[in-house]
Amino acid sequence: SQKIEQNSEALNIQEGKTATLTCNYTNYSPAYLQWYRQDPGRGPVFLLLIRENEKEKRKERLKVTFDTTLKQSLFHITASQPADSATYLCALAQNTGNQFYFGTGTSLTVIP
Amino acid sequence: DAGITQSPRHKVTETGTPVTLRCHQTENHRYMYWYRQDPGHGLRLIHYSYGVKDTDKGEVSDGYSVSRSKTEDFLLTLESATSSQTSVYFCAISDLGAGADTQYFGPGTRLTVL
Repeated sequence: SQKIEQNSEALNIQEGKTATLTCNYTNYSPAYLQWYRQDPGRGPVFLLLIRENEKEKRKERLKVTFDTTLKQSLFHITASQPADSATYLCALAQNTGNQFYFGTGTSLTVIP
Repeated sequence: DAGITQSPRHKVTETGTPVTLRCHQTENHRYMYWYRQDPGHGLRLIHYSYGVKDTDKGEVSDGYSVSRSKTEDFLLTLESATSSQTSVYFCAISDLGAGADTQYFGPGTRLTVL
């Protein structure tokens, strides 16, 4: 069956450290992988997109990697801040069709 | 929220009653989506639309119908609500509909079916 798994446990890290979140997928062949941020009571907000032929993408303090052999994406937040505390979702899209498939999300808390 | 509104924002209804949720956009994006979000399941696609009167099913479409008579409005209808449809419903829009396109999400509707 198809699965998208993110860190099952909530992640707590100290301010200033690097947070690393994982997204593993099974029985998908994604051409695109996206990361979203979701705050309580609000809709997800797009952060980054990476394509299957890209290994790494950066945007300010954010970095995403995409390994199609391992079927995994890693999402890094460097120099983390309490304002980074939120739930982070990964989403896959395949080459055909118009559907996105979302993981269950990882809750991140950055402790001052 | 990128010019997307959802109404109502909260609704409590009883089993067996019909419910319609509305998504309205001011961005003139071609694609519109309805998702539900439940603990342990993440966001799951219910239906989406790729143009006026053009819709298709997502992975959890049973018990739901949609309509899009204008570019800016996408309606989700629960013909006869059940307790299993208690959830938070999000509308999203995108311009191109492909995986490289960003989805913009609305603020959500919290629906409780008693």
